[in-house]
This record gives sequence, C-alpha cells and structure tokens, in this order.
Amino acid sequence: NAGVTQTPKFQVLKTGQSMTLQCAQDMNHEYMSWYRQDPGMGLRLIHYSVGAGITDQGEVPNGYNVSRSTTEDFPLRLLSAAPSQTSVYFCASSSGTGLKLFFGSGTQLSVL
Amino acid sequence: DQQVKQNSPSLSVQEGRISILNCDYTNSMFDYFLWYKKYPAEGPTFLISISSIKDKNEDGRFTVFLNKSAKHLSLHIVPSQPGDSAVYFCAARSGWGQNFVFGPGTRLSVLP
Repeated sequence: NAGVTQTPKFQVLKTGQSMTLQCAQDMNHEYMSWYRQDPGMGLRLIHYSVGAGITDQGEVPNGYNVSRSTTEDFPLRLLSAAPSQTSVYFCASSSGTGLKLFFGSGTQLSVL
Repeated sequence: DQQVKQNSPSLSVQEGRISILNCDYTNSMFDYFLWYKKYPAEGPTFLISISSIKDKNEDGRFTVFLNKSAKHLSLHIVPSQPGDSAVYFCAARSGWGQNFVFGPGTRLSVLP
C-alpha cells in the first residue's frame, strides 16, 4: 500500500516550458487536491477534485490545469511555467467521508 | 489576509518539557481543525484533530485545545521528545468537503 505517490521529486524548468506533475493514490479515495507550499505562507490550495470527472479551483488556481479521468490519478499541469511557480507542490487525498488528508512526499519545482 | 495564523515561526523546548504551539483563526465558520507534522523532504502527516463542538481532544502525548470565543487553538506535547522536532501546521475547514486552510507553520526544536 503506497498511499499517495508524487513524481518527480525534483524538477527544474525554464520560463515558458510546460510540464505535468503526477499524483496517484491507491486508497480508492474520492477526494484529491493539490497544494503549494511557499515560505511563510503555509500550504495553499490550487485545485481539487471530489471524484472522477469533477474538478474545481482552490485559492491559487491561475497558471495550473488539472483533470481527473480516473479515481487514482490527479495530474497537475503547468502550461507555461513562470518563476512565481517556484514552490514545493503537495498532492493529497481523502476518503469521501474522511476529514484527514493524506499527503504525498512533494515535488520541488524551480522555474528559472 | 491569512485566515489561519501561527504567529511563532519557531519554538525551542528542552526534552521532557511541554511544547505549546498556538494557532489563531479569523473565520468563525471554521468547524473542524487539524494539526499536521512535517519533516524535511517529506509530506505533512496527520497528528490530531478537533471538531468545533469540542474544546479538547487528546491522543497520547498530544492534546489540542479549542477556544472558540477567542478563535484560538493550541497543541500541547507532553513530554516533548527529540523526534518531535518538525514543522507543525494548523489547518481549518469551513463547513464542507475536505478543503482546508493552512497556517504558515511553526518549527519546533526539541533539545536533548
């Protein structure tokens, strides 16, 4: 039972490049979300999904796209990376009735 | 404007003594609160939670106190151990789903 798996762990991009951060969970959780962590800011919600085919915006969605075609996977896409997107990204999941988020180990992204 | 505040960026405590981590919030609609612990290069892990209908919840060495009138909660760790050294995040939910607002975190150092 791997829990929440994020890949890659580290990534360096140039401004304007695109990439996808992968997130997969094997707990059959309906709810999945993406947070970013910046110094002094805590974790801020980017996008979330309450089930396959359903996504919605969080607090800081600009510059990011998501889709949820399966229960297990919730990728985060950066279409045109900007230096302001340099951050640590965490994927989390939760069961439909649970109030406890399970987090992946994070992706450290640097945009030059 | 941050809805969840942790005004102490860092805290140092001697091993065996009590650690008290504080969290203040501004939104009176928050109804559920979580504490997470985070080690370097790992994702946050759930520690303890409390519902707004309670004023205390205990789990082993960890106790969370909620003062709704003051919009304040605190996490007590007794006795503190060196393995408790980590960043602690307070998080709050405003009434539905699993979307949480996180505070900026407090780095706890437990000195042997």
